Amino acid sequence: DADVTQTPRNRITKTGKRIMLECSQTKGHDRMYWYRQDPGLGLRLIYYSFDVKDINKGEISDGYSVSRQAQAKFSLSLESAIPNQTALYFCATSDSVDPNYGYTFGSGTRLTVV
Amino acid sequence: AQSVAQPEDQVNVAEGNPLTVKCTYSVSGNPYLFWYVQYPNRGLQFLLKYITGDNLVKGSYGFEAEFNKSQTSFHLKKPSALVSDSALYFCAVRDMPPSGGSYIPTFGRGTSLIVHP
Repeated sequence: DADVTQTPRNRITKTGKRIMLECSQTKGHDRMYWYRQDPGLGLRLIYYSFDVKDINKGEISDGYSVSRQAQAKFSLSLESAIPNQTALYFCATSDSVDPNYGYTFGSGTRLTVV
Repeated sequence: AQSVAQPEDQVNVAEGNPLTVKCTYSVSGNPYLFWYVQYPNRGLQFLLKYITGDNLVKGSYGFEAEFNKSQTSFHLKKPSALVSDSALYFCAVRDMPPSGGSYIPTFGRGTSLIVHP
């Protein structure tokens, strides 16, 4: 099983619909992140959480919300999806004990808003 | 503030030739630098990092990177490219100013490496 699992892998949804992307991890890491990848723009941080009760906005949080239900679970919601939220979404984790090690990424969720 | 630039959208190299993927950065304190690779339909995978110490860092799959403080660069290199190295490569930097940092790195836009047979 993957260390960081994202569901669904692919999703097509209609404009205006609410959608949730889920992330779970078995790394035992305390820190979790949601990124968005667009061609030519690289990775942009949406939200991050350093602990279960900690939620922080990233550089592009508008139109998104998150929930850290447990240390191992971090979900991303699009309250009312719009076409320019079509992108590849990645969840990542890191460990505060060794913050310099780097991130572990999930395989991504490809979201299409029509 | 921290930033990172990957000046090339795409790098083409013949199999067996050396490859270089460029990265430059800007930080206010000491840089912590990372390279990640993304294969098609996969998430990013950690390749290597520079925190302190030797300027030449060795990582996975035969890759290495050279930290150059005066040029604020951290270029990724490999002596002999393989077709299987074809992927998207991301450089990332995290600032560590004397007053501390948030441990959130900034990623570059990515460079597509294409290795031709």
